[in-house]
Amino acid sequence: ETGVTQTPRHLVMGMTNKKSLKCEQHLGHNAMYWYKQSAKKPLELMFVYSLEERVENNSVPSRFSPECPNSSHLFLHLHTLQPEDSALYLCASSQDSQELFEQYFGPGTRLTVT
Amino acid sequence: GQNIDQPTEMTATEGAIVQINCTYQTSGFNGLFWYQQHAGEAPTFLSYNVLDGLEEKGRFSSFLSRSKGYSYLLLKELQMKDSASYLCAVRGSRTNNRKLIWGLGTSLAVNP
Repeated sequence: ETGVTQTPRHLVMGMTNKKSLKCEQHLGHNAMYWYKQSAKKPLELMFVYSLEERVENNSVPSRFSPECPNSSHLFLHLHTLQPEDSALYLCASSQDSQELFEQYFGPGTRLTVT
Repeated sequence: GQNIDQPTEMTATEGAIVQINCTYQTSGFNGLFWYQQHAGEAPTFLSYNVLDGLEEKGRFSSFLSRSKGYSYLLLKELQMKDSASYLCAVRGSRTNNRKLIWGLGTSLAVNP
């Protein structure tokens, strides 16, 4: 595997379910990100981890819970979601330095909350 | 507030040249990115500008004018595979290189 991978690619869940999204990067990067991409809205940064420490949390509801066990893996735990949480969830990674900064994205998980 | 504006949709013909504009109003500026996103796929990095002027990379070029808060992405010799959404993003802070302010994207359709 190369680059950034995400599983599952598609997920349908009820509002009372608990599920997790997984992201893995094979690039040796230090920073990992969760984004939400909804139709007709710009990419919304949710969380940023640098060297496994959460460094940014952009007012995300507590029903989204991130976990970063090491610099290669990132999870997003979901519980009691709302229909408006249906979106494409993108994971990204970057070298986390001032010089090497472009973000590499995974293919995303298309989430539908019913 | 902070804002990035791009046209919502554009259409062009195979073999032609197209220019996608992006204007931004941000409290700080430390670089502008262009990403390409095909439907159902991940955004992929195209270019980065931090100084004024034109950066050329093959068929794609990106221009920046910091005084005008303006950038454009120029695509030459268009191919059908260039049909995608093009996202403009600004890094607003020198000290926080991770946080980008994103535009809505421009959906480009290349017709034969």
